Formats: sequence, structure tokens, C-alpha cells
Amino acid sequence: DGGITQSPKYLFRKEGQNVTLSCEQNLNHDAMYWYRQDPGQGLRLIYYSQIVNDFQKGDIAEGYSVSREKKESFPLTVTSAQKNPTAFYLCASSMEGQGGNSPLHFGNGTRLTVT
Amino acid sequence: RKEVEQDPGPFNVPEGATVAFNCTYSNSASQSFFWYRQDCRKEPKLLMSVYSSGNEDGRFTAQLNRASQYISLLIRDSKLSDSATYLCVVNEEVGGGGNKLTFGTGTQLKVEL
Repeated sequence: DGGITQSPKYLFRKEGQNVTLSCEQNLNHDAMYWYRQDPGQGLRLIYYSQIVNDFQKGDIAEGYSVSREKKESFPLTVTSAQKNPTAFYLCASSMEGQGGNSPLHFGNGTRLTVT
Repeated sequence: RKEVEQDPGPFNVPEGATVAFNCTYSNSASQSFFWYRQDCRKEPKLLMSVYSSGNEDGRFTAQLNRASQYISLLIRDSKLSDSATYLCVVNEEVGGGGNKLTFGTGTQLKVEL
């Protein structure tokens, strides 16, 4: 079955450490996205990529970095520069980019806790 | 004014009831609309897209009112399993010819015996 997989499901890190969240999809989707979700807030876009080797900052990119070397993979690195990294991180993909009408398909999320 | 606004709820309804949620959006150039369902501590899952003519999927009906800039979700014959948070998502045009997906904060539904 096609889908989008995030790993790990839960991640604990000490403050000051970089951490990379994995996201893989086998849906053959061109576009991939990273969101974070905090209690009482809507999903906020961190980065997105419409095509391999290209990505754009979202609304809250500071303290994060991404790469898109393969169509299937869009890892997110949470750096020590991110002031409030503890959150629920969601990766998503869609057939076309944000300009189209195709819906997002989400991975099952990674819950990151930084202490 | 928020770009996409939803009543957070919770809406506590008895099993079998009909319940409706609205979602207002501020950008009149918004092009496409979706309802997602999110269970506690899980990822959002697409419930339905919202078409201009309105659309129905079983007990769920979605409608778009462009004049008043809102979309609605109606759930008939509520089940316990409908308990979740319902997210409104709007695809809006932004400057430079691009588009952006904006999420509402969600409306929480609790269906009770």
C-alpha cells in the first residue's frame, strides 16, 4: 500500500542538540511539506518542496533545515537555533504543489520533546 | 481577523444528533477547501473536499458559501466514532501568483451516549 511514513514516532532530545526527523513517501507525489502543530493552534508550515532539489521556506522556517535529494524523501532537521522545538511534527505530500487542488496526505507524525 | 477561523468547541452532542460546524475565511480569492478529521494525538486525515455545488458523502455534507466566505460541515446521525477534531483547510492565493494552504485550529466534537 502506498503511504507516507514518519519516524520515529516519539523523540526525546536534550537542548542544544540537532535532531533529524525522517519522512518517506511512496505515493509518487511531487510536493512534500513539513508542519508543526502546537496545542490550540492550527498547523503551521515550516518548509515545503514542489520538486526534487528545490524547497521553500514556510511561515516558521527559522531554526529548521530540509533537503530534497530524492522524490521520496524530505527529512527535517531541527537545529539548536529553534527556540521552542517541542511540538508535534507532521510531514505531508500531495500530487501537485500548493497551487493545485489536490489534498494533503499526512504521515503519522513525530512527537518531539526537547528538555 | 484570522485567515481561517473555527469555533474550537467542544460540541457535546448525543448519539444520533445532527451537528454542523462552520469555518470562515478572509481571503475572497481562496480557491479550494477541505475538511480534515484529526483524532487525539494522531495525524489529520482527509474527510472531504468541498465543492462549489456542495457535496455529500454518506452522513457528511459539505457546503461552500462564497458570498459570505464560509464553508460548513454537517454530520447527520452522529456516532460515538465521530468524536474528533475537525479541521478546515483553505487554499488561498497569495502575492506573486502563488498559493498557500491555511489550516483552522479545529472544532472539537464529542458524541456521547
